[in-house]
Amino acid sequence: EVQLVESGGGLVQPGRSLRLSCTASGFPFGDFAMSWVRQTPGKGLEWVGFIRNKPFGATTEYAASVKDRFTISRDESKSIAYLQMNGLRTEDTAVYYCARGGTIEISTQNFFDYWGQGTLVTVSS
Amino acid sequence: QSALTQPASVSGSPGQSITISCTGTSSDVGSYNLVSWYQKYPGKALKVVIYEVTERPSGVSNRFSGSKSGNSASLTISGLQAEDEADYYCSSYAGGSAWVFGGGTQVTVL
Repeated sequence: EVQLVESGGGLVQPGRSLRLSCTASGFPFGDFAMSWVRQTPGKGLEWVGFIRNKPFGATTEYAASVKDRFTISRDESKSIAYLQMNGLRTEDTAVYYCARGGTIEISTQNFFDYWGQGTLVTVSS
Repeated sequence: QSALTQPASVSGSPGQSITISCTGTSSDVGSYNLVSWYQKYPGKALKVVIYEVTERPSGVSNRFSGSKSGNSASLTISGLQAEDEADYYCSSYAGGSAWVFGGGTQVTVL
């Protein structure tokens, strides 16, 4: 059974950093791109970014709103995808979801086929 | 990229059909057949119900169907059931390795 479990959320002051983890199980982690999507309170979903798998260089792509502040990485040995968030702003307050897929380079991964339940990040002084 | 536009809510009686629209632009929905739809129950993980505009994942009821015309996509739920009451989100590839989502639609079964 595919499972994605996010962790690391919490309350953080503006300007500080936080690292989220997405622990994957039930599938060959190295075969898949991994994405991050967030949902701000009372609003819809916003794509944050994704990391390709190793055969595609484990390269990353980001939304303009987080580029240069957020970094996605992955640890193949632990089957974990990370979202390092620096310079946090109040508008980054959201539930952060990790999802499998989100790359058009692999036809079977050109959507988000499994999601975690999310972790809440609150940015406030 | 701007968010895709969805109606805030749609309702229907059991057995009826409802359609949720998802309006984008010529840069996203209109350019790619990479629209997907997700169902979300409170406290549960999102679940894909449609991908690549019309494709239904294994295990998803055939009461769910998708379509696209121009810059707009639609999700139709036929034979509406109480279990279909949830939030639904559309998503589209937007070029440049980026994705855009809709604001979500709350479906109520009357």
